[in-house]
Amino acid sequence: GQNIDQPTEMTATEGAIVQINCTYQTSGFNGLFWYQQHAGEAPTFLSYNVLDGLEEKGRFSSFLSRSKGYSYLLLKELQMKDSASYLCAVTERSNDYKLSFGAGTTVTVRA
Amino acid sequence: GAVVSQHPSRVICKSGTSVKIECRSLDFQATTMFWYRQFPKQSLMLMATSNEGSKATYEQGVEKDKFLINHASLTLSTLTVTSAHPEDSSFYICSAEVLDRGIGYTFGSGTRLTVV
Repeated sequence: GQNIDQPTEMTATEGAIVQINCTYQTSGFNGLFWYQQHAGEAPTFLSYNVLDGLEEKGRFSSFLSRSKGYSYLLLKELQMKDSASYLCAVTERSNDYKLSFGAGTTVTVRA
Repeated sequence: GAVVSQHPSRVICKSGTSVKIECRSLDFQATTMFWYRQFPKQSLMLMATSNEGSKATYEQGVEKDKFLINHASLTLSTLTVTSAHPEDSSFYICSAEVLDRGIGYTFGSGTRLTVV
């Protein structure tokens, strides 16, 4: 990917909040996506940020700061089913707007 | 909406044989499809971009003669792994660009390929 960094693993308790950070370096930033991926399954779309600020969608929120090359995904009221890998991905002009993925953050929710 | 159907979900093949993976867009036209490979606990790595009616564009380091891509219609793209070897064992996922539904890209359900 285009120097997309996110933590490898995070653990949290059911009902708690977890914030997954993602930093990136791009040439001609076009947008940032967050996907959820359960083991052995395809990624599912969570959010898309193209402008600075917070996008809220139910229990999930995503934030973007283009000047800092930084985003986070906030998961609230964690449920056991939220245990999954969360992928940060960016598109940029210099890469023909193709998705470039970070390595993913594995979130484990404990009872 | 914006569903991509990918088949097969799992396949086991012998070394030296070829395997074809299909991705179909069910409720939209996919001018562009992307093929990814994902090894355990790693990220999705883009292998190639296929465009309907033209040759695929391969990422650096991906052998185009080994991974044959065909995108003959607006709803079907195929990836054929030729002369498969155990190191080709991986999770292959297709994705299509969805321009008008606010989600950017939609993914197939993936194919787990095991070469024995």
